[in-house]
Amino acid sequence: EAQVTQNPRYLITVTGKKLTVTCSQNMNHEYMSWYRQDPGLGLRQIYYSMNVEVTDKGDVPEGYKVSRKEKRNFPLILESPSPNQTSLYFCASSQTGGQPQHFGDGTRLSIL
Amino acid sequence: SQKIEQNSEALNIQEGKTATLTCNYTNYSPAYLQWYRQDPGRGPVFLLLIRENEKEKRKERLKVTFDTTLKQSLFHITASQPADSATYLCALGDSGTYKYIFGTGTRLKVLA
Repeated sequence: EAQVTQNPRYLITVTGKKLTVTCSQNMNHEYMSWYRQDPGLGLRQIYYSMNVEVTDKGDVPEGYKVSRKEKRNFPLILESPSPNQTSLYFCASSQTGGQPQHFGDGTRLSIL
Repeated sequence: SQKIEQNSEALNIQEGKTATLTCNYTNYSPAYLQWYRQDPGRGPVFLLLIRENEKEKRKERLKVTFDTTLKQSLFHITASQPADSATYLCALGDSGTYKYIFGTGTRLKVLA
């Protein structure tokens, strides 16, 4: 089954404790992206990747890091999480840029 | 700055009627526009993609139009059903950077 898998689905943690949210896709897609979704603000793009070793900033990259060492994986790293990063996060992938995106089921992060 | 607006936060219509959702944008020249459906607690699901050189696209009961002069897209669901109740998101994309901007969504409720 074609899917985008995110882990963990839920996480409560404390300020300053580094965390990684993993994202993996099994569709051999070149394009992958991370979004955060907040009430009243909609989905905002954090980072995206056109292909392996190619990443670029979205609209809200501050406080986040990403890497794309393999085609299927695109982890999101919060080096020093802060409460304003409490949000619902989605990973997505598509065949190439501009094509329909497949989204994961989301990761709900709470940073205290 | 770039801005994207969806017509209203919520839209209630009677079963069997046509639902029309609006997506307006400013300070942007997108190469393509996508519509997604999002159910509570789930990731967005792709519905339709329309490119800047296309006026209209159809898929079953769905139709999307794209007017680059008015800077507007209309999304229609004909013969609406209670199962169509969800939040609908529009997303604009840039062919140069492949960044995305999403609207905040319209919550559609189809009444039986």
